[in-house]
Amino acid sequence: AQSVTQPDARVTVSEGASLQLRCKYSYFGTPYLFWYVQYPRQGLQLLLKYYPGDPVVQGVNGFEAEFSKSNSSFHLRKASVHWSDWAVYFCAVSRGTGGYKVVFGSGTRLLVSP
Amino acid sequence: GGIITQTPKFLIGQEGQKLTLKCQQNFNHDTMYWYRQDSGKGLRLIYYSITENDLQKGDLSEGYDASREKKSSFSLTVTSAQKNEMAVFLCASSLDWGSAETLYFGSGTRLTVL
Repeated sequence: AQSVTQPDARVTVSEGASLQLRCKYSYFGTPYLFWYVQYPRQGLQLLLKYYPGDPVVQGVNGFEAEFSKSNSSFHLRKASVHWSDWAVYFCAVSRGTGGYKVVFGSGTRLLVSP
Repeated sequence: GGIITQTPKFLIGQEGQKLTLKCQQNFNHDTMYWYRQDSGKGLRLIYYSITENDLQKGDLSEGYDASREKKSSFSLTVTSAQKNEMAVFLCASSLDWGSAETLYFGSGTRLTVL
């Protein structure tokens, strides 16, 4: 069975600074990986997803993530954080075959300071 | 584009009460899902439905029933509300039930049990 760990429950970044949110997954095989964002009082929206191939995935609003099979990681990055990025970010892993089975991490709350 | 509408946004019930949450989507998606989101935890799958009149149990289905009588709607019933299940319930849909499918979420129903 697959699992996801987001080790940081909360991250605070100054506006304009760079950002990395960590995600470690556990899955025997090659998974599909996702980052979703949840803005206040809203549902989740997809930021980006990884298919087997290029390890660096570009997403919306300047976000990107890098898949590392050796480290079992899928960290999210942004070069310059904006106040509107204040949200909760969820990493998710899906098994590569066999139909639907997505497991979500516990989320990282991003706070942006002026 | 499309939208997922969840009703009600806030639901207050008494312990032991039967409560129903509703979800409508106009994406014309085949697959719909109910997730439970507890504070500080990830999303946990309660039920999903691959197509109209289909129901599949998720990891957290005990204490819940679901119904998918139309392609566009998916309802969730809490059979006997308990105080320890106060949470936000998120409905989602996807084009089909493959592993790599993007989920589209509603903004949630927040359940309070008195």
